[in-house]
Amino acid sequence: DMKVTQMPRYLIKRMGENVLLECGQDMSHETMYWYRQDPGLGLQLIYISYDVDSNSEGDIPKGYRVSRKKREHFSLILDSAKTNQTSVYFCASSSGQGDEQYFGPGTRLTVL
Amino acid sequence: QQKVQQSPESLTVSEGAMASLNCTFSDGTSDNFRWYRQHSGKGLEVLVSIFSDGEKEEGRFTAHLNRASLHVSLHIREPQPSDSAVYLCAMYYAQGLTFGLGTRVSVFP
Repeated sequence: DMKVTQMPRYLIKRMGENVLLECGQDMSHETMYWYRQDPGLGLQLIYISYDVDSNSEGDIPKGYRVSRKKREHFSLILDSAKTNQTSVYFCASSSGQGDEQYFGPGTRLTVL
Repeated sequence: QQKVQQSPESLTVSEGAMASLNCTFSDGTSDNFRWYRQHSGKGLEVLVSIFSDGEKEEGRFTAHLNRASLHVSLHIREPQPSDSAVYLCAMYYAQGLTFGLGTRVSVFP
């Protein structure tokens, strides 16, 4: 069964703290994505990774960075989190660009 | 302005009636469209992917694409209460998917 996992599912941090969101997939997909979902704005693409150490900015990369050292893992890092980064973050993977994207269950991040 | 616009914002249907959702997009350059479903507090589940004008059926879900009209629709046949969710239309562009804001569908017995 194809699966994308995200950890943690819920996270509360204070402004200025560092945040690490982790994503895993068991499908050997080359391409992985990070999105955030906010009311009134919908899903917005933060970063794409085309494979290990091959990452590209999406539409809203400011304030975020990513790391992909293994094909099956893709991390989203917030250095010094801000209150406006409170959101639900989704990871997705696909076998290639334009192919079906499979989504994880999301991480609800609250920055106080 | 959102590249993908969905209507209606919300829809209430009776169990067994047809539900119809609409999506218009800002340009006709993409040939890669998808409908996703998102139950409350959950991730996205792909329902139908459509890549050419015409119709694509996946079980009770049928998508219709008309790129000349910049329009893609989703029809849900015999909706059930378990189909109550937010339905998201997405269009593939250079880097990835761009999503509409969704249609909230409520199905009552």
